[in-house]
Amino acid sequence: KAGVTQTPRYLIKTRGQQVTLSCSPISGHRSVSWYQQTPGQGLQFLFEYFSETQRNKGNFPGRFSGRQFSNSRSEMNVSTLELGDSALYLCASSLSLSYGYTFGSGTRLTVV
Amino acid sequence: GENVEQHPSTLSVQEGDSAVIKCTYSDSASNYFPWYKQELGKGPQLIIDIRSNVGEKKDQRIAVTLNKTAKHFSLHITETQPEDSAVYFCAASKGDYGQNFVFGPGTRLSVLP
Repeated sequence: KAGVTQTPRYLIKTRGQQVTLSCSPISGHRSVSWYQQTPGQGLQFLFEYFSETQRNKGNFPGRFSGRQFSNSRSEMNVSTLELGDSALYLCASSLSLSYGYTFGSGTRLTVV
Repeated sequence: GENVEQHPSTLSVQEGDSAVIKCTYSDSASNYFPWYKQELGKGPQLIIDIRSNVGEKKDQRIAVTLNKTAKHFSLHITETQPEDSAVYFCAASKGDYGQNFVFGPGTRLSVLP
């Protein structure tokens, strides 16, 4: 059974640009969450979607946004990139809000 | 909001020995506590979880204990093997109210052959 697929794996962007990251959850999983991982701040929650609705949002600026499609695939977008946005962005999926999440391998974003 | 502390930050053990990682949480409403293992270049992998209505859970060489009164939970790995070397994260969430986990800062475990 295929795991959580994140594309692209690596990305280099320039300050001020915007970026869109993609996540395909495990087949049948309806809940998708996004996390940012950095050496300094660790794993921080960005947002969570269930059946195309955002259920929770972390403490990130409005430059970070996301959405979920009817097939449960999800995208997150970061606008006006800053150097501090350089991080590993992880997507995780679950059958429902009550189950432990399965993480993808992440997208490594570098902002220069 | 929830705050999760994790200790130690690094841990080295000899192969075959046991390893224990401890976490404390601040929000008494948290009721779901997963543990994740992250290897280099990979995303975190769920290795065991426990809900607040259970005091202990075991899966082969891995066990988790929960003390709700003291608001702490621990991961126990017995008979450690080199492939157990990784970074381990604990997390806490309010379970059914949404899976926005608050993660601990992580423990780097090294199992020396």
